[in-house]
Amino acid sequence: EPEVTQTPSHQVTQMGQEVILRCVPISNHLYFYWYRQILGQKVEFLVSFYNNEISEKSEIFDDQFSVERPDGSNFTLKIRSTKLEDSAMYFCASSLQGGRSNQPQHFGDGTRLSIL
Amino acid sequence: AQSVTQPDIHITVSEGASLELRCNYSYGATPYLFWYVQSPGQGLQLLLKYFSGDTLVQGIKGFEAEFKRSQSSFNLRKPSVHWSDAAEYFCAVGGDTDKLIFGTGTRLQVFP
Repeated sequence: EPEVTQTPSHQVTQMGQEVILRCVPISNHLYFYWYRQILGQKVEFLVSFYNNEISEKSEIFDDQFSVERPDGSNFTLKIRSTKLEDSAMYFCASSLQGGRSNQPQHFGDGTRLSIL
Repeated sequence: AQSVTQPDIHITVSEGASLELRCNYSYGATPYLFWYVQSPGQGLQLLLKYFSGDTLVQGIKGFEAEFKRSQSSFNLRKPSVHWSDAAEYFCAVGGDTDKLIFGTGTRLQVFP
């Protein structure tokens, strides 16, 4: 069964540095998402992406964050000038159609980001 | 406000016993409802989904869930739990935007 893959599985970064989290969505999916889960808290929506632009974003997704689909397969989340509170598990997801459709989101295994 | 509540943070059952995990939601539009499972060190795997139609939906691994609009609930059930079902279970709601709203999760522990 096709799956969403994320790399790396664990990223350790010094505070203030930039980090790029990578995702390969399911190949025929058109909608892509990032979520995060701070330890002990809920999974929270960050952003959705469709047709090479942001479709929807949460209040968490400020100027520190950006997303990109640099080629036909990868979908990346860049966090600039990382802060301690950015430490979390980041999940990538993809779906065939958007959230208003009856197509579910399929998640990757996540990247655990640790900011020192 | 849109939200999902999973009242049980931690549930422990014996292997072979039945299971019910509770989920209540608050959502302004027609909800799409989901249950995801997260095994240690792994991602979120979709167990089942409800969009419309039959309010009792079947999922993978022998799980089912029932949508009750009058109670704003979408409880997950399994008649006989296996040790491999030990994991964290998340209920989520969506439907009128791209984002899913998740509950805080219920950690299931299974004793032999």
